[in-house]
Amino acid sequence: DSGVTQTPKHLITATGQRVTLRCSPRSGDLSVYWYQQSLDQGLQFLIQYYNGEERAKGNILERFSAQQFPDLHSELNLSSLELGDSALYFCASSGPINSPLHFGNGTRLTVT
Amino acid sequence: AQSVAQPEDQVNVAEGNPLTVKCTYSVSGNPYLFWYVQYPNRGLQFLLKYITGDNLVKGSYGFEAEFNKSQTSFHLKKPSALVSDSALYFCAVRGDTGGFKTIFGAGTRLFVKA
Repeated sequence: DSGVTQTPKHLITATGQRVTLRCSPRSGDLSVYWYQQSLDQGLQFLIQYYNGEERAKGNILERFSAQQFPDLHSELNLSSLELGDSALYFCASSGPINSPLHFGNGTRLTVT
Repeated sequence: AQSVAQPEDQVNVAEGNPLTVKCTYSVSGNPYLFWYVQYPNRGLQFLLKYITGDNLVKGSYGFEAEFNKSQTSFHLKKPSALVSDSALYFCAVRGDTGGFKTIFGAGTRLFVKA
Protein backbone atom coordinates (compact mmCIF):
# COMPACT_ATOMS: atom_id res chain seq x y z
CA ASP A 1 0.00 0.00 0.00
CA SER A 2 1.56 3.27 -1.18
CA GLY A 3 -0.51 5.44 1.14
CA VAL A 4 -1.93 7.43 -1.79
CA THR A 5 -5.70 7.16 -2.19
CA GLN A 6 -7.55 7.89 -5.39
CA THR A 7 -11.29 7.99 -5.86
CA PRO A 8 -13.26 6.84 -7.68
CA LYS A 9 -11.60 3.69 -9.06
CA HIS A 10 -13.77 3.65 -12.13
CA LEU A 11 -15.75 6.34 -13.89
CA ILE A 12 -17.96 5.98 -16.94
CA THR A 13 -19.43 9.10 -18.45
CA ALA A 14 -20.58 10.56 -21.73
CA THR A 15 -18.89 12.96 -24.10
CA GLY A 16 -19.31 16.59 -23.14
CA GLN A 17 -19.62 15.86 -19.44
CA ARG A 18 -17.44 17.03 -16.55
CA VAL A 19 -15.85 14.84 -13.87
CA THR A 20 -13.71 15.34 -10.80
CA LEU A 21 -11.00 12.94 -9.71
CA ARG A 22 -9.78 13.05 -6.14
CA CYS A 23 -6.43 12.25 -4.58
CA SER A 24 -5.25 12.07 -0.98
CA PRO A 25 -1.46 12.05 -0.76
CA ARG A 26 0.68 9.98 1.54
CA SER A 27 0.89 11.40 5.03
CA GLY A 28 3.61 14.06 5.21
CA ASP A 29 4.04 14.46 1.44
CA LEU A 30 3.60 18.03 0.22
CA SER A 31 3.91 17.40 -3.51
CA VAL A 32 1.12 15.96 -5.62
CA TYR A 33 1.46 14.97 -9.27
CA TRP A 34 -1.14 14.00 -11.85
CA TYR A 35 -0.39 11.70 -14.78
CA GLN A 36 -2.45 10.32 -17.62
CA GLN A 37 -1.76 6.83 -18.91
CA SER A 38 -3.28 5.68 -22.17
CA LEU A 39 -2.35 2.74 -24.37
CA ASP A 40 -0.69 4.75 -27.10
CA GLN A 41 0.75 7.62 -25.07
CA GLY A 42 2.51 6.04 -22.13
CA LEU A 43 2.60 8.01 -18.89
CA GLN A 44 2.04 11.72 -19.57
CA PHE A 45 2.81 14.30 -16.91
CA LEU A 46 -0.10 16.69 -16.43
CA ILE A 47 0.61 18.93 -13.46
CA GLN A 48 2.38 19.16 -10.10
CA TYR A 49 1.43 20.98 -6.91
CA TYR A 50 3.55 21.69 -3.90
CA ASN A 51 1.89 22.71 -0.64
CA GLY A 52 -1.08 24.23 -2.44
CA GLU A 53 0.83 26.01 -5.18
CA GLU A 54 1.23 24.93 -8.79
CA ARG A 55 4.88 23.92 -9.25
CA ALA A 56 5.13 22.52 -12.77
CA LYS A 57 2.89 22.02 -15.74
CA GLY A 58 3.06 19.40 -18.44
CA ASN A 59 0.84 18.55 -21.37
CA ILE A 60 -2.38 19.44 -19.63
CA LEU A 61 -5.27 20.45 -21.84
CA GLU A 62 -7.12 23.71 -21.23
CA ARG A 63 -10.25 21.63 -20.57
CA PHE A 64 -8.46 20.11 -17.58
CA SER A 65 -7.71 21.89 -14.34
CA ALA A 66 -6.44 20.90 -10.94
CA GLN A 67 -5.92 22.27 -7.48
CA GLN A 68 -4.40 21.28 -4.17
CA PHE A 69 -6.32 22.19 -1.05
CA PRO A 70 -5.00 23.31 2.37
CA ASP A 71 -5.34 19.76 3.70
CA LEU A 72 -3.08 18.74 0.75
CA HIS A 73 -5.61 16.61 -1.06
CA SER A 74 -5.91 17.36 -4.75
CA GLU A 75 -8.61 17.28 -7.38
CA LEU A 76 -8.31 16.98 -11.13
CA ASN A 77 -11.25 18.39 -13.06
CA LEU A 78 -11.88 17.22 -16.60
CA SER A 79 -14.52 19.03 -18.63
CA SER A 80 -16.07 18.85 -22.10
CA LEU A 81 -14.95 15.25 -22.17
CA GLU A 82 -14.01 13.60 -25.44
CA LEU A 83 -13.62 9.93 -26.35
CA GLY A 84 -9.86 10.43 -26.42
CA ASP A 85 -9.83 11.38 -22.76
CA SER A 86 -10.51 7.78 -21.84
CA ALA A 87 -7.45 6.69 -19.88
CA LEU A 88 -6.05 5.81 -16.50
CA TYR A 89 -5.39 8.89 -14.39
CA PHE A 90 -2.78 8.50 -11.69
CA CYS A 91 -2.02 10.67 -8.74
CA ALA A 92 1.33 10.47 -7.02
CA SER A 93 2.85 12.20 -4.04
CA SER A 94 6.38 12.75 -2.85
CA GLY A 95 8.46 14.31 -0.14
CA PRO A 96 11.73 16.18 -0.79
CA ILE A 97 13.18 16.53 -4.28
CA ASN A 98 15.35 13.42 -3.97
CA SER A 99 12.47 11.18 -2.86
CA PRO A 100 10.52 8.90 -5.21
CA LEU A 101 6.92 9.27 -6.22
CA HIS A 102 4.33 7.10 -4.52
CA PHE A 103 1.43 6.28 -6.80
CA GLY A 104 -2.20 5.63 -6.15
CA ASN A 105 -3.96 2.81 -7.99
CA GLY A 106 -5.49 5.23 -10.47
CA THR A 107 -8.91 6.19 -11.74
CA ARG A 108 -9.99 4.49 -14.93
CA LEU A 109 -12.05 6.96 -16.94
CA THR A 110 -14.19 5.71 -19.81
CA VAL A 111 -15.88 8.29 -22.00
CA THR A 112 -18.67 6.88 -24.17
CA ALA B 1 13.74 20.16 -21.71
CA GLN B 2 13.67 16.89 -19.81
CA SER B 3 13.22 13.64 -21.66
CA VAL B 4 13.61 9.94 -21.11
CA ALA B 5 14.07 7.29 -23.77
CA GLN B 6 13.46 3.59 -23.30
CA PRO B 7 14.52 2.24 -26.69
CA GLU B 8 12.94 -1.21 -26.30
CA ASP B 9 9.18 -1.65 -26.23
CA GLN B 10 9.66 -5.21 -25.05
CA VAL B 11 12.42 -7.36 -23.60
CA ASN B 12 12.22 -11.14 -23.57
CA VAL B 13 14.45 -13.21 -21.33
CA ALA B 14 14.49 -16.77 -20.04
CA GLU B 15 14.09 -17.42 -16.34
CA GLY B 16 17.46 -17.57 -14.61
CA ASN B 17 19.19 -15.43 -17.22
CA PRO B 18 20.36 -11.88 -16.55
CA LEU B 19 18.15 -9.07 -17.74
CA THR B 20 18.78 -5.48 -18.78
CA VAL B 21 16.21 -2.79 -19.47
CA LYS B 22 17.71 0.28 -21.07
CA CYS B 23 17.14 3.95 -20.31
CA THR B 24 18.75 7.16 -21.45
CA TYR B 25 17.85 10.63 -20.29
CA SER B 26 18.24 14.33 -20.92
CA VAL B 27 17.85 16.91 -18.17
CA SER B 28 19.05 20.35 -17.11
CA GLY B 29 21.15 20.31 -14.02
CA ASN B 30 21.89 17.23 -11.98
CA PRO B 31 19.62 14.26 -12.59
CA TYR B 32 17.61 12.34 -10.07
CA LEU B 33 16.85 9.00 -11.70
CA PHE B 34 14.24 6.43 -10.78
CA TRP B 35 12.93 3.05 -11.88
CA TYR B 36 9.36 1.94 -11.32
CA VAL B 37 7.44 -1.25 -12.05
CA GLN B 38 3.78 -1.55 -12.94
CA TYR B 39 1.70 -4.70 -12.65
CA PRO B 40 -1.68 -4.96 -14.42
CA ASN B 41 -4.37 -2.66 -13.09
CA ARG B 42 -2.05 -1.21 -10.45
CA GLY B 43 -0.18 1.99 -9.88
CA LEU B 44 3.55 2.26 -10.36
CA GLN B 45 5.78 0.93 -7.61
CA PHE B 46 9.17 2.42 -6.82
CA LEU B 47 12.15 0.08 -7.39
CA LEU B 48 15.27 2.19 -6.93
CA LYS B 49 16.79 5.63 -7.37
CA TYR B 50 20.05 7.35 -8.12
CA ILE B 51 20.68 10.69 -6.46
CA THR B 52 24.43 10.88 -6.03
CA GLY B 53 27.34 8.70 -5.03
CA ASP B 54 28.01 5.17 -6.26
CA ASN B 55 27.10 4.60 -9.86
CA LEU B 56 25.66 1.16 -9.08
CA VAL B 57 22.43 1.41 -7.16
CA LYS B 58 20.67 -1.54 -5.55
CA GLY B 59 16.93 -1.66 -5.08
CA SER B 60 13.94 -3.85 -4.37
CA TYR B 61 13.47 -7.49 -5.48
CA GLY B 62 17.14 -7.94 -6.46
CA PHE B 63 17.14 -5.19 -9.08
CA GLU B 64 20.03 -2.83 -9.56
CA ALA B 65 20.80 0.01 -11.96
CA GLU B 66 23.97 1.53 -13.29
CA PHE B 67 24.30 5.29 -13.73
CA ASN B 68 26.61 6.40 -16.53
CA LYS B 69 26.99 10.15 -16.69
CA SER B 70 28.97 10.29 -19.93
CA GLN B 71 26.40 8.16 -21.74
CA THR B 72 23.46 9.73 -19.86
CA SER B 73 22.15 6.26 -19.19
CA PHE B 74 20.56 4.49 -16.26
CA HIS B 75 20.03 0.85 -17.24
CA LEU B 76 18.07 -1.51 -15.00
CA LYS B 77 19.60 -4.93 -14.38
CA LYS B 78 19.01 -8.15 -12.54
CA PRO B 79 21.47 -11.06 -12.41
CA SER B 80 18.82 -13.79 -12.56
CA ALA B 81 15.31 -13.14 -13.88
CA LEU B 82 12.16 -14.64 -12.39
CA VAL B 83 8.85 -15.28 -14.14
CA SER B 84 7.28 -12.99 -11.53
CA ASP B 85 9.44 -10.12 -12.80
CA SER B 86 7.24 -9.96 -15.91
CA ALA B 87 5.72 -6.48 -15.84
CA LEU B 88 5.95 -2.99 -17.32
CA TYR B 89 9.04 -1.02 -16.29
CA PHE B 90 9.38 2.74 -16.35
CA CYS B 91 12.46 4.89 -16.10
CA ALA B 92 11.99 8.45 -14.82
CA VAL B 93 14.10 11.57 -14.44
CA ARG B 94 13.77 14.69 -12.35
CA GLY B 95 16.09 17.66 -12.69
CA ASP B 96 17.21 19.77 -9.77
CA THR B 97 16.13 22.94 -11.58
CA GLY B 98 13.04 24.24 -13.32
CA GLY B 99 10.14 22.99 -11.29
CA PHE B 100 11.31 19.52 -10.34
CA LYS B 101 8.74 17.72 -12.46
CA THR B 102 9.30 14.01 -12.99
CA ILE B 103 9.23 12.78 -16.57
CA PHE B 104 8.71 9.12 -17.43
CA GLY B 105 9.87 7.05 -20.33
CA ALA B 106 7.36 5.20 -22.52
CA GLY B 107 7.90 1.98 -20.61
CA THR B 108 9.41 -1.39 -21.47
CA ARG B 109 7.43 -4.58 -21.14
CA LEU B 110 9.50 -7.40 -19.71
CA PHE B 111 8.54 -11.00 -20.43
CA VAL B 112 10.34 -13.70 -18.51
CA LYS B 113 9.76 -17.17 -19.91
CA ALA B 114 9.92 -20.24 -17.70
